[in-house]
Amino acid sequence: KNEVEQSPQNLTAQEGEFITINCSYSVGISALHWLQQHPGGGIVSLFMLSSGKKKHGRLIATINIQEKHSSLHITASHPRDSAVYICAVKVETSGSRLTFGEGTQLTVNP
Amino acid sequence: EAGVTQFPSHSVIEKGQTVTLRCDPISGHDNLYWYRRVMGKEIKFLLHFVKESKQDESGMPNNRFLAERTGGTYSTLKVQPAELEDSGVYFCASSQDYFPAAGIQLGNEQFFGPGTRLTVL
Repeated sequence: KNEVEQSPQNLTAQEGEFITINCSYSVGISALHWLQQHPGGGIVSLFMLSSGKKKHGRLIATINIQEKHSSLHITASHPRDSAVYICAVKVETSGSRLTFGEGTQLTVNP
Repeated sequence: EAGVTQFPSHSVIEKGQTVTLRCDPISGHDNLYWYRRVMGKEIKFLLHFVKESKQDESGMPNNRFLAERTGGTYSTLKVQPAELEDSGVYFCASSQDYFPAAGIQLGNEQFFGPGTRLTVL
């Protein structure tokens, strides 16, 4: 079983909808990252969190350390948000390397 | 400022051949990581350099993989001989540690390169 689990694996939404992607982890962490990968493209870091909540434009990321859970929200979704969203954690006992979830494929239709 | 770059973007080789992937980190970043994603699986860690030293190579799958970072700048990852199961996307990332006060390290965000897609036929 992967130490980082994401849900859903695939998500299709209509433009304008509010989107939530979830990430649960089973280990102690020092930080959690949300990453974005466009088709054929590289990986872009969206957020790095260790507590609370961060907001950037239409993106909001939250983390609950006690529950070992994080969510990525997209408000007023747009077709250009279509991408794979990846949750990755820095495990406390594993130095600075990242452990990744499998990713969530998001498709936003116009 | 230039980001993390990787070369080549794609490589198609036959089983048994050798391939060398290159990563140029962001200038000044001491930490360099190699990760890979094989088909249908999550991205997995391969190894971590701090400057020219291997800090953690626990993710290297076997001795067909050799990573180097001479001079603590760019890094190469050589696969020799390549096998079918080595196909995937190889990502490089770099980061900079911050030590504002003695012994205190702030979280270090990793910046990823575009990846090299390796296909072994």
